[in-house]
Amino acid sequence: KAGVTQTPRYLIKTRGQQVTLSCSPISGHRSVSWYQQTPGQGLQFLFEYFSETQRNKGNFPGRFSGRQFSNSRSEMNVSTLELGDSALYLCASSPKRTSGGIGETQYFGPGTRLLVL
Amino acid sequence: GENVEQHPSTLSVQEGDSAVIKCTYSDSASNYFPWYKQELGKRPQLIIDIRSNVGEKKDQRIAVTLNKTAKHFSLHITETQPEDSAVYFCAASSRDDKIIFGKGTRLHILP
Repeated sequence: KAGVTQTPRYLIKTRGQQVTLSCSPISGHRSVSWYQQTPGQGLQFLFEYFSETQRNKGNFPGRFSGRQFSNSRSEMNVSTLELGDSALYLCASSPKRTSGGIGETQYFGPGTRLLVL
Repeated sequence: GENVEQHPSTLSVQEGDSAVIKCTYSDSASNYFPWYKQELGKRPQLIIDIRSNVGEKKDQRIAVTLNKTAKHFSLHITETQPEDSAVYFCAASSRDDKIIFGKGTRLHILP
């Protein structure tokens, strides 16, 4: 099976702009999670989508949003970009969603590196 | 909220020696503990995982141990090789259905 893919791989934007990132999960996987990775902070959870619905959300401002389509592909949008939004944005897919506290294995995409100037 | 602490942040070991990375978690409901390896410029790759009904799991040179009472788990890499140089992340599932990651350990294998 093809792995998780993300587009674009690199992006340069200026403050105040908005950006949309795309993630295609492994075929058959229905859960897509998004993470922000910055040096020294590890991977911070943004949100999870399953069956086109946001099932979980991390502690990020409302400028960060997402959606999932019927084919399980997901997009993430960041509006009114700030310098601090510069990061590697990773998506991860799972066959099922973590539920009832039972964790599911996640497979990561290569990430989109966003630079905000 | 739920938290995963990972130590050390940087670790240097001589090639052929063993490396140990330790993590503690706060959520008593955590039951799934994956470890990821991220090489420079690449995606995190799952290298091993363990569930709470098991105390230890091994896969060739890699092993993970879990102590649920103390809420800590560790990654052990034996006979380290240059290709083991990478950043390693531990993680734990949480009662609110998230996977919480530690901040990572940068492992250097010295020739």
